[in-house]
Amino acid sequence: QVTLKESGPGILQPSQTLSLTCTFSGFSLSTYGMGVGWIRQPSGKGLEWLANIWWDDDKYYNPSLKNRLTISKDTSNNQAFLKITNVDTAHTATYYCARIRATVPLFDYWGQGVMVTVSS
Amino acid sequence: VQMTQSPSCLAASPGESVSISCKASKNIRNNLVWYQEKPGKANKLLIHSGSTLQSGTPSRFSGSGSGTDFTLTIRSLESEDFAVYYCQQYNEYPLTFGSGTKLEIK
Repeated sequence: QVTLKESGPGILQPSQTLSLTCTFSGFSLSTYGMGVGWIRQPSGKGLEWLANIWWDDDKYYNPSLKNRLTISKDTSNNQAFLKITNVDTAHTATYYCARIRATVPLFDYWGQGVMVTVSS
Repeated sequence: VQMTQSPSCLAASPGESVSISCKASKNIRNNLVWYQEKPGKANKLLIHSGSTLQSGTPSRFSGSGSGTDFTLTIRSLESEDFAVYYCQQYNEYPLTFGSGTKLEIK
């Protein structure tokens, strides 16, 4: 059974760094073809892809945010991470992690998301 | 690749059939998926490769199209189908989503 769960700070101030953790089970990021992606959704709005990391440590970023994003993984502990530097109120959103399988960047299992608010 | 999804909102009754459109700004071959979003639940992958049902997706769901024009059709709507639906292209990075279609009960 594949599960993913996001965790984050809940609230942070503008200019701070947002650190998110995705803890998953039912698959391994050391397995060929596996990956994890991060997607966010501002309240009442649509989905925005942020970044993917693959089993071989290959990484892809949304160019609209690339300079602010860092994705990483801890294969031993079945976790993936996303950092967003210098956040502002526009980064207030629900952040999701999701599994990617078979080298194709579509998301076959999603977490339920974690709400992050950026406010002074 | 910009994904234009329509309509943004759709009202229908149980038993009816509905279709949702997703148009890509360039050729994405058949590299398109449809997701279902419901409150309090994880997003669900319904269809990949434009028309292939993901395991567990009811057969009343179908996807069609290739290139730039895609359609999600739901036949004989059931109460559990009222949700928000998104398309997503995975032909190239950056991955992009449609703006969503909220399917409501009439």
